[in-house]
Amino acid sequence: DIQMTQSPSSLSASVGDRVTITCRASQSISSRLNWYQQKPGKAPKLLVYAASTLQSGVPSRFSGSGSGTDFTLTISSLQPEDCATYYCQQSYSPLTWTFGQGTKVEIK
Amino acid sequence: QVQLLQSGAEVKKPGASVKVSCTASGYTFTTYYIHWVRQAPGQGLEWMGRVNPNSGGANYAQNFRGRVTMTRDTSVSTAYMELSGLRSDDTAVYYCASPVGRSTWGQGTLVTVSS
Repeated sequence: DIQMTQSPSSLSASVGDRVTITCRASQSISSRLNWYQQKPGKAPKLLVYAASTLQSGVPSRFSGSGSGTDFTLTISSLQPEDCATYYCQQSYSPLTWTFGQGTKVEIK
Repeated sequence: QVQLLQSGAEVKKPGASVKVSCTASGYTFTTYYIHWVRQAPGQGLEWMGRVNPNSGGANYAQNFRGRVTMTRDTSVSTAYMELSGLRSDDTAVYYCASPVGRSTWGQGTLVTVSS
C-alpha cells in the first residue's frame, strides 16, 4: 500500500506569513495528489487536485506543487480563516485512498 | 445541487452492528463511486473502502475486511456502510464521499460505541 507522510504535524504562524506543508509518498504517484482543508466539526473540503490545480472557488493564496513522491501546499499569505487541519491524499492507487496524517495550522 | 445526505447519529453497544446510509442527489447516482472515510475523535482521516453504485462491487481497506459491508440501492440513490463487531475504538464520525464535482462529502454521521 502507498503511504503518505505529511510534515509538520502542526505549525503556528502570523497573519500574512507564507506557510508551507509537505507531503511525501512512499512510491511515485505521478501527480495524483489532492489537498483538503478541514475545520472542526466539518467535512473535508477539496482545495487542490492533481497536485497543482486549484478547485473552483478556492482563494488564489493557496497553491500546490510537486510530482512523483514529493508535494507541497503553500498558503502565500496566511489569513485567520485558514486555521484548519490540512490533509494530503493520494488518488493514484485505483483501489484505495490514502491520507496523510494531517497538519494543524494555527495563528500565532 | 450535488449533495450527499447521511443518516443520523447512532449509539451502539460493543459487539453490535451499525448501518449508515448516504443518499445522493443532483447527479446520476450510478456514475461515481461512493467512498467511506472515518475520523476518530481528534484523529486523522481513515479510508474504509468504496462501492461501485453501478455494479454493486466493493473494495475494502485491509483494516476493515471481514467487518465491513458496503452496498447500494439504486432505486433510492443510496449507499450503505455496515460495520459489525463494534468496539469502543470504532467511535468516530463516518463520512461518505464521491468524486462527483471533483469532491463531494456527506455531512458525517457520529457513531458512538459505549456500554
